[in-house]
Amino acid sequence: DQQVKQNSPSLSVQEGRISILNCDYTNSMFDYFLWYKKYPAEGPTFLISISSIKDKNEDGRFTVFLNKSAKHLSLHIVPSQPGDSAVYFCAASWNRLSGSEKLVFGKGTKLTVNP
Amino acid sequence: DARVTQTPRHKVTEMGQEVTMRCQPILGHNTVFWYRQTMMQGLELLAYFRNRAPLDDSGMPKDRFSAEMPDATLATLKIQPSEPRDSAVYFCASGLGQSYNSPLHFGNGTRLTVT
Repeated sequence: DQQVKQNSPSLSVQEGRISILNCDYTNSMFDYFLWYKKYPAEGPTFLISISSIKDKNEDGRFTVFLNKSAKHLSLHIVPSQPGDSAVYFCAASWNRLSGSEKLVFGKGTKLTVNP
Repeated sequence: DARVTQTPRHKVTEMGQEVTMRCQPILGHNTVFWYRQTMMQGLELLAYFRNRAPLDDSGMPKDRFSAEMPDATLATLKIQPSEPRDSAVYFCASGLGQSYNSPLHFGNGTRLTVT
């Protein structure tokens, strides 16, 4: 049973526009969320994260929003660039008090930014 | 720039053969993870270690998979005997502390094909 879900396998946007990638989770014990970006033939690389005590975190063109009541987070990329074309994975981590370092990943969304 | 190194990058083998995948984590990192990526399941956690001690291998088929850390610079994942359904990309990742404050660094993966 998928605890982290990315329901859109793919997304296509025009260069300069906003890209919005969505992620839903089911486990209320998750308290930290991360986004990773993956290029073909490479491993995922960390992009941005957010703690459950916040509802927004921004880093340059990338902003992550968290809606705990809806168990939903989203990644906004503004403006989108062709180099952003990659697969984006949403991941979640357990309550830090649990002592677990495990990350649970969604299946990913392939973003294509067209010039 | 420190990186996680995985060998081999590609492996093609016949069903029933033993497969060994190796990982050199980033020096100083105390957690090591093995993930498997398939189209159907996305990124699945197979096993992870903290300070070389196995903490969770619940994601691994116990009868054929084994994961070890002979020393702090080497992690291995073995499959014996291999089956076609094991075909996937296997990623090793390392980190320092909890995933929420120390994002994982992934290697570029081993693409395994079992015929």
